[in-house]
Amino acid sequence: GAVVSQHPSWVICKSGTSVKIECRSLDFQATTMFWYRQFPKQSLMLMATSNEGSKATYEQGVEKDKFLINHASLTLSTLTVTSAHPEDSSFYICSARGSWNEQFFGPGTRLTVL
Amino acid sequence: KQEVTQIPAALSVPEGENLVLNCSFTDSAIYNLQWFRQDPGKGLTSLLLIQSSQREQTSGRLNASLDKSSGRSTLYIAASQPGDSATYLCAVRGYQKVTFGIGTKLQVIP
Repeated sequence: GAVVSQHPSWVICKSGTSVKIECRSLDFQATTMFWYRQFPKQSLMLMATSNEGSKATYEQGVEKDKFLINHASLTLSTLTVTSAHPEDSSFYICSARGSWNEQFFGPGTRLTVL
Repeated sequence: KQEVTQIPAALSVPEGENLVLNCSFTDSAIYNLQWFRQDPGKGLTSLLLIQSSQREQTSGRLNASLDKSSGRSTLYIAASQPGDSATYLCAVRGYQKVTFGIGTKLQVIP
């Protein structure tokens, strides 16, 4: 199957700083990318959907000014958590969908905000 | 709004046993359903993907069925092994987005 990578796999930062997470489709072009968040013992929750070259669509309750998503190319999307706080500590997973419509998931990034 | 429920929440079985994990969803207008495995602190590993027009998919010791009209899917694991211990997630893709269940945490005891 197609491969989606995320970088970094884990990050620890101080409260108030911003953190950028990258999601790349390695061997296919992803017209649509998705960002999910998973809190401990909870299911993955969709945060936003982004199409290449256009603004992301955020799910209800997700602050678009706090979670900046950029999908500048067909193989790269970035999620920037701005002014991170401890409650933003979570597991962030991206997925990418190509022309055949199946979604492929990245390995996730664990964010810990001190 | 699609809701996905997985039962049981946790399951502990002795090695070698066959087992069934259940997933139910409220909106039958789905595109496909996918089963994943997630190891602690790790990402998702796709196990089986069933398109809405299909009834089941098989891969090795795994068999997943889909009854779209009743909003149910099952994941059957044959001859369970300790390496199967993980959380199993069911994900239902509607026409706009994917909704995940909370998962079934499986422990296979040697």
